[in-house]
Amino acid sequence: DAGVIQSPRHEVTEMGQEVTLRCKPISGHDYLFWYRQTMMRGLELLIYFNNNVPIDDSGMPEDRFSAKMPNASFSTLKIQPSEPRDSAVYFCASSQQSPIGGYSNQPQHFGDGTRLSIL
Amino acid sequence: QKEVEQNSGPLSVPEGAIASLNCTYSDRGSQSFFWYRQYSGKSPELIMSIYSNGDKEDGRFTAQLNKASQYVSLLIRDSQPSDSATYLCAVKNYGNNRLAFGKGNQVVVIP
Repeated sequence: DAGVIQSPRHEVTEMGQEVTLRCKPISGHDYLFWYRQTMMRGLELLIYFNNNVPIDDSGMPEDRFSAKMPNASFSTLKIQPSEPRDSAVYFCASSQQSPIGGYSNQPQHFGDGTRLSIL
Repeated sequence: QKEVEQNSGPLSVPEGAIASLNCTYSDRGSQSFFWYRQYSGKSPELIMSIYSNGDKEDGRFTAQLNKASQYVSLLIRDSQPSDSATYLCAVKNYGNNRLAFGKGNQVVVIP
């Protein structure tokens, strides 16, 4: 089975430019998560979706960040305008909803990440 | 206080020895606990999950959970050079689906 697929794998761009990161979750997974990882702050949750609906975006650092999930098989994380401090590895992860419903204790499966460098 | 703390610095163990990693969490409502392994430049990979107090063994890995002490640990027996990685502790609270991660512990297995 295909895992979580992210693109691009690497992105280098100049500050001020718009950056769009893409994610395809594992088929059948109801939850999709966007994370950012840096040496200083570790792995931080930015936002997560359940059945394409944003549930918790409290980790989104500021209005320059936005995320969408137009359908069950695709999500984007956009940064506009980008800044050097946005440089990090961005991971997308997905998980299944527990049969119990609502709360899920199912583990999250991560994509390979996008290594973003803003010059 | 951080939600999930992994305070130990890099851990060096000789090949064949036991590596012991510890994690504490702040929210008593936490219900699900996970250990992820992350090789340098790669994504986190789930290696263990535990939901009840006590020990859970899977191959050379044992996870231990003590909810009263808000403590979860990971033991790696017969450590191999391929175990050299960063190990991330992750905790999920009942009522939401957020995973809170610790900053990780780096393990280096010396041949």
